[in-house]
Amino acid sequence: DGGITQSPKYLFRKEGQNVTLSCEQNLNHDAMYWYRQDPGQGLRLIYYSQIVNDFQKGDIAEGYSVSREKKESFPLTVTSAQKNPTAFYLCASSIDLYSNQPQHFGDGTRLSIL
Amino acid sequence: KNQVEQSPQSLIILEGKNCTLQCNYTVSPFSNLRWYKQDTGRGPVSLTIMTFSENTKSNGRYTATLDADTKQSSLHITASQLSDSASYICVVTTGGFKTIFGAGTRLFVKA
Repeated sequence: DGGITQSPKYLFRKEGQNVTLSCEQNLNHDAMYWYRQDPGQGLRLIYYSQIVNDFQKGDIAEGYSVSREKKESFPLTVTSAQKNPTAFYLCASSIDLYSNQPQHFGDGTRLSIL
Repeated sequence: KNQVEQSPQSLIILEGKNCTLQCNYTVSPFSNLRWYKQDTGRGPVSLTIMTFSENTKSNGRYTATLDADTKQSSLHITASQLSDSASYICVVTTGGFKTIFGAGTRLFVKA
């Protein structure tokens, strides 16, 4: 089955620690995205990538970093600079940035502070 | 400012009943509008997508409408089932690729 796999499902971060969330897709999509979801708010874009070795900041990129070394993979690192990291993180992909086709989402990683 | 507002915030209905969720947007330029269903602890799943020229789109018991003049959309659920309990998210894409997500409507279907 084609889809997006996010891991781990749950993650806990200690003070001053960086953590990395994994996102893998086998849909052969060029574009990938990271969103943050907080209660009562719409999804907010953290980073997006149109193609391998290229990525751009979204609306709330501060305290986060990404890489896109392979088409299938788009890991997100939550750094210690992100002071309020507790949230539900969603990775998504689409055929490309401008297609009318829907984004496909993974099942998310819930990050909490210890 | 580009915004997507959904109402109501939450809704409780009895199994078998119909319901309608609302979405108002102030996004410009407009490219398309999508409705997603998100089960608790899962990622959103696409239900419908409509471009400017489409005013209705169905997916089984889900029917979405779009009025581009008033910038309003609705999602109608017919003969609700317990499995319809979820959040429903309205998403509008601008003329570029930027997407603006509504906060969602939380639907509870009771037996």
